[in-house]
Amino acid sequence: NAGVTQTPKFRVLKTGQSMTLLCAQDMNHEYMYWYRQDPGMGLRLIHYSVGEGTTAKGEVPDGYNVSRLKKQNFLLGLESAAPSQTSVYFCASSYGVLSYEQYFGPGTRLTVT
Amino acid sequence: KNQVEQSPQSLIILEGKNCTLQCNYTVSPFSNLRWYKQDTGRGPVSLTIMTFSENTKSNGRYTATLDADTKQSSLHITASQLSDSASYICVVSAEYGNKLVFGAGTILRVKS
Repeated sequence: NAGVTQTPKFRVLKTGQSMTLLCAQDMNHEYMYWYRQDPGMGLRLIHYSVGEGTTAKGEVPDGYNVSRLKKQNFLLGLESAAPSQTSVYFCASSYGVLSYEQYFGPGTRLTVT
Repeated sequence: KNQVEQSPQSLIILEGKNCTLQCNYTVSPFSNLRWYKQDTGRGPVSLTIMTFSENTKSNGRYTATLDADTKQSSLHITASQLSDSASYICVVSAEYGNKLVFGAGTILRVKS
C-alpha cells in the first residue's frame, strides 16, 4: 500500500500562472481533504470531498478549485496563482467523517513569485 | 471561537530525557482530541486519538492525557530518542466530528 501520494513534491510558479496538484490514495477511503500549512499556523482546510463526484468548501477555499472524478483521486487547482498561496499543501484521506483518523500525504511545497 | 493553543512553541532536550508538551483548547462541542507527529518534510502521522471519556492513552513511549473539564491535554514522551525530533500537533474535533481545529505545533529537538 502506497497510502496517500501527492505530485509534484515541489513547484515554483509565477504570479498569475495556473497549476493542478494531484492526490491519490489506495485505501478505498470515501473522504479526502486538501490542507495548507503556513509557518506558525495550524493546518487549514481548503476543500474536502465526502465521495466520488462531490466537493465542499473548507475554511480557506478562495482562489482554489477541486475535483473528485474518481474515488481514489482528489485534484486541487490554482487558476491564477498569487504570492499569498505560497505554502505547503497536504492531502489527506479518511474512512469516515472528520472524527475518523486521517492519513496524510507527504506534501507539496509551492512557491509563487 | 474554536482555538487550539500549544506550548511551548519549541523545545530542546537531551537524548534519554523525558518531556511534556501542552495543548489547551476552546472548542465546542468537543468530539475527540488527537496528537500527530510531523517529521520535517513529511505529512502528519497520528499518535493517539482520545474521546471525551478517555483521560489517558499510550502509544509506546508516547502517553497522552486529557482533562475535558479544564480543556487541557498533554503529550508525555519518555526516554526520548533522536528520532523523536519533529513537530507535534494537537488537533481537536468539534461540531460532532464535522470540523477539525489544528494547533500550530510544538517543535521538539532531541540532541545527543
